[in-house]
Amino acid sequence: GENVEQHPSTLSVQEGDSAVIKCTYSDSASNYFPWYKQELGKRPQLIIDIRSNVGEKKDQRIAVTLNKTAKHFSLHITETQPEDSAVYFCAASNPSGSARQLTFGSGTQLTVLP
Amino acid sequence: DGGITQSPKYLFRKEGQNVTLSCEQNLNHDAMYWYRQDPGQGLRLIYYSQIVNDFQKGDIAEGYSVSREKKESFPLTVTSAQKNPTAFYLCASSLNYQPQHFGDGTRLSIL
Repeated sequence: GENVEQHPSTLSVQEGDSAVIKCTYSDSASNYFPWYKQELGKRPQLIIDIRSNVGEKKDQRIAVTLNKTAKHFSLHITETQPEDSAVYFCAASNPSGSARQLTFGSGTQLTVLP
Repeated sequence: DGGITQSPKYLFRKEGQNVTLSCEQNLNHDAMYWYRQDPGQGLRLIYYSQIVNDFQKGDIAEGYSVSREKKESFPLTVTSAQKNPTAFYLCASSLNYQPQHFGDGTRLSIL
């Protein structure tokens, strides 16, 4: 089955700096890669996703890049703010019927220091 | 995502007891999922269902059971066979081929 590795497990940045979180996946058939943000005790919330036919996607301060050949994808947050502090999870999904079976990384605790 | 309701928010299980976690959605989503989250770890898929009266095992189905009798409901039973049930349980739903959206979760502990 799919295996997703996520690094780093913790990341501290100064407010206004950029943050980068990286994930690798093992199954070359995976074609959908979402990123979720989870605040303490809350539900994970989708912040951005990318499909395998696209190399990069951007939404305001957040961007995701995908390298299918190397089987890795990254989350980039620019101009970080204290409210960006949370745990971020990457995930990968291969086509299996109409329901997406997501395999999650182990998470990155991002702390933005004021 | 106010359309996905999980209850209760906190649940305690006695040894040898089965407990059932509720998940209801009013989003008319076809697919529903159950995940388990342990402290400091990612989410792991327990079961998922694409349509009514059909469901498939995920990566960690042992000790759990589900049913999908109605499109809007996907309850999860944690059986006594699950020896380490303490975790945060998250339900999600999605339209076919669309992103998953999560409920607020149920925190299960052993008494």
